[in-house]
Amino acid sequence: GESVGLHLPTLSVQEGDNSIINCAYSNSASDYFIWYKQESGKGPQFIIDIRSNMDKRQGQRVTVLLNKTVKHLSLQIAATQPGDSAVYFCAESLSGYSTLTFGKGTMLLVSP
Amino acid sequence: DSGVTQTPKHLITATGQRVTLRCSPRSGDLSVYWYQQSLDQGLQFLIQYYNGEERAKGNILERFSAQQFPDLHSELNLSSLELGDSALYFCASSPQGTWRDEQYFGPGTRLTVT
Repeated sequence: GESVGLHLPTLSVQEGDNSIINCAYSNSASDYFIWYKQESGKGPQFIIDIRSNMDKRQGQRVTVLLNKTVKHLSLQIAATQPGDSAVYFCAESLSGYSTLTFGKGTMLLVSP
Repeated sequence: DSGVTQTPKHLITATGQRVTLRCSPRSGDLSVYWYQQSLDQGLQFLIQYYNGEERAKGNILERFSAQQFPDLHSELNLSSLELGDSALYFCASSPQGTWRDEQYFGPGTRLTVT
């Protein structure tokens, strides 16, 4: 498949572990945040979003935490599976605007 | 499968040339976005169209242009190509093109400029 980046920070975990992927966002005015997953050879895929009036949101096996004080976002994946191996991007946006600003991405490698 | 299609999948061309990348949005989506993904710059927003009209512009070079046609498909035109234009180009679509919309990404076009 296509390589999306050779110089990304990489997180290597064992199957079944919990994974935490971090992201520092750039604009203190951003009020909407999204995590995307990009598998090799594919386009980004929406995972979960959070608005700035929340500091935590849970989905199926995923949790996003938002710390506006330090402009930090994290994605927690519970019971990580080999199928979770991908590059994960955070994206920020201003409500009222439709454009997204993406972070650099983190590669997650899950070993069976 | 997101429902967004992009052609071609791969494109190899020489510096100075012009290419056109094509995108068909998901059925019913009115808005199309173009992104460039390169090794050094990551994923960058280029331009957005909604129902044929330009809605937002990001880091798009003057050598690049795009349009959305009445049937809602979109084309991204890249001219006077340089080596640095080599990248993955993604198209995404969304229903109404607002910040509330989830964007659905196509599989991308890999452009290699030699």
